[in-house]
Amino acid sequence: EAGVAQSPRYKIIEKRQSVAFWCNPISGHATLYWYQQILGQGPKLLIQFQNNGVVDDSQLPKDRFSAERLKGVDSTLKIQPAKLEDSAVYLCASSSQQGALEQYFGPGTRLTVT
Amino acid sequence: DQQVKQNSPSLSVQEGRISILNCDYTNSMFDYFLWYKKYPAEGPTFLISISSIKDKNEDGRFTVFLNKSAKHLSLHIVPSQPGDSAVYFCAASALNSNYQLIWGAGTKLIIKP
Repeated sequence: EAGVAQSPRYKIIEKRQSVAFWCNPISGHATLYWYQQILGQGPKLLIQFQNNGVVDDSQLPKDRFSAERLKGVDSTLKIQPAKLEDSAVYLCASSSQQGALEQYFGPGTRLTVT
Repeated sequence: DQQVKQNSPSLSVQEGRISILNCDYTNSMFDYFLWYKKYPAEGPTFLISISSIKDKNEDGRFTVFLNKSAKHLSLHIVPSQPGDSAVYFCAASALNSNYQLIWGAGTKLIIKP
C-alpha cells in the first residue's frame, strides 16, 4: 500500500512570497490532516478534512493560510504572504475515518522563510 | 497552554537495557493516549496506544503505562535496540474535541552500542 505522498520536500522562499504544498493521502482514507511542526515542538493541527468538507480549522491562520481538498482526495495548503515565523515542517496525514487513533504521515515539507 | 508535556528533550540508553520515556498531561478529559516514533526526514509513525480506562498496554518490546491519578504515562522499551533511536512523541485525544491529537514536544532517544 502506497503511503502518504507530499511535495515538495523542501522549499525556501522570501517573506511576503506565496507557497503551496501538495498532499496525496492513502487511497480510501476519508480523513486528511495538515499539521505545522516548528523546530523543537510537536505537530500542531492546522486543518482537518472529512472527505472534502472541513471538520476543524480553528488553528488555521485564515488571514494567510488556506487549504482545500477537491474531490475528497488530494489536498493543497497555501500560505500567502509568508512570514518568517511560518518556517516549519508541514506534515500531511490521513486516516481511514474520523476519530481513528492511527494517523499515517507523509514525510513532510520543510519550509524556510528568509 | 501545554496540555501534553514531555519534559526530557533527550535520553541516552545502553543497548539491551530498558528505555523509559515519560509524558505528563493536564486535561482529564483525554480518552486515548498514543506514542508515535519519528526518524529524521520522515513523518511520525504510530507505535502504541492506550485507552484512559486501562492502565497498561503491551505490544512486543513496547509497553505503555497510564497513571490517571498522576496524569502521567510512560513508554517502556525492553530491550532497547539501535533501531529504536528516534524521536518519540506522546499525544492525547478526546471525544469532545473530535479526537484531535494534542502532541508533546518529543523526546530524542539515543541507543548507545
